[in-house]
Amino acid sequence: NAGVTQTPKFRVLKTGQSMTLLCAQDMNHEYMYWYRQDPGMGLRLIHYSVGEGTTAKGEVPDGYNVSRLKKQNFLLGLESAAPSQTSVYFCASSYNLELRGSSVANVLTFGAGSRLTVL
Amino acid sequence: AQSVSQHNHHVILSEAASLELGCNYSYGGTVNLFWYVQYPGQHLQLLLKYFSGDPLVKGIKGFEAEFIKSKFSFNLRKPSVQWSDTAEYFCAVTPNSGGYQKVTFGTGTKLQVIP
Repeated sequence: NAGVTQTPKFRVLKTGQSMTLLCAQDMNHEYMYWYRQDPGMGLRLIHYSVGEGTTAKGEVPDGYNVSRLKKQNFLLGLESAAPSQTSVYFCASSYNLELRGSSVANVLTFGAGSRLTVL
Repeated sequence: AQSVSQHNHHVILSEAASLELGCNYSYGGTVNLFWYVQYPGQHLQLLLKYFSGDPLVKGIKGFEAEFIKSKFSFNLRKPSVQWSDTAEYFCAVTPNSGGYQKVTFGTGTKLQVIP
């Protein structure tokens, strides 16, 4: 059981280049997320998806696009990379847990991270 | 919207010392609370979680956390730390209500345990 797999693990880009980070999960989770982690700022949500074919903006969506064409995959794209996008990117997924009659998505399972450097 | 504060950014302890990391959240309703741990070079892993019931929850590796509703706190504790506990610890909160609810993370506390 691989859990959440991210590719690539490392990438160096020049300003203006584009790239796509791929996240794949094999747990049949409905919800998927992309976070970025920067020193002293914790994890900030970029985009998320509550199901196949749906995406939504998180806290810091500018400069990123996402797609969820298949339930198990969540792609994060940078159309024109900027140095401010140098970061470690984490993908996560979660299931919809029923609590006292309410549905709550929580208990995130994270991927190993992708370190992106934009020169 | 909810928010999470972790006031200790960097904590240095000697092995066998006791640990308490602070976490306070801001939200007017019922919440679910989590602690995640990130060991050096690794991804975040769930340490423990609180949904309801006993406010003292126990997690992996001897960690525990106490939910004090009146103080909006969910502090993480361990009676005796080990060198292998060196990691960054993140508190997280999500509203407990229907549908998708965003998980909000604190900025993290780096724990360094000196042998």
